[in-house]
Amino acid sequence: DSGVTQTPKHLITATGQRVTLRCSPRSGDLSVYWYQQSLDQGLQFLIHYYNGEERAKGNILERFSAQQFPDLHSELNLSSLELGDSALYFCASSVGTVGEKLFFGSGTQLSVL
Amino acid sequence: AQTVTQSQPEMSVQEAETVTLSCTYDTSESDYYLFWYKQPPSRQMILVIRQEAYKQQNATENRFSVNFQKAAKSFSLKISDSQLGDAAMYFCAYRSASFTGANSKLTFGKGITLSVRP
Repeated sequence: DSGVTQTPKHLITATGQRVTLRCSPRSGDLSVYWYQQSLDQGLQFLIHYYNGEERAKGNILERFSAQQFPDLHSELNLSSLELGDSALYFCASSVGTVGEKLFFGSGTQLSVL
Repeated sequence: AQTVTQSQPEMSVQEAETVTLSCTYDTSESDYYLFWYKQPPSRQMILVIRQEAYKQQNATENRFSVNFQKAAKSFSLKISDSQLGDAAMYFCAYRSASFTGANSKLTFGKGITLSVRP
């Protein structure tokens, strides 16, 4: 168990809908990262938050947004969903220092039908 | 931008034997960190090993060790005494030592699927 909690584990929804994925980092971790894993694109970095502030953006679509709350949990919001958004979405957390290890949650499997 | 390449999509090893998974990367930085992550069928991403670029000594974690060749930008993972539980997808990843902006992320390779034959 990595100590990173992601909910829900599975999500099935329809095109055009909006969903929210939730991540609780390990106790004491200030950094939260979101990754998307799909068969064709591999593991793609979406966004990084550190202590409530956005630190870096990767290949995140405009239809997607995220935030990190004062209690350090994070949410990834996906809207106007398309079939191609079906993927495994990972959250990872770390203390927030150079070179440290990232600890991953078990992911949320999103299926858009 | 940094890139990570894992050119072998699949590998197979006999139980109790040794296997080496290859990874190359491209960067203009001199200070960085390299990682191998394992993703078993459960989908959980599990850290296997980490290497600091400024260290010449290769990292070792029990049956797992790396061969880090900085000049060649090569970072291979050796698994000794392979076990059935080692069957998984293995990802090589790069992280800049500069913890600023986009450099804070991990950049992953496409992964290698390792199967272990009993």
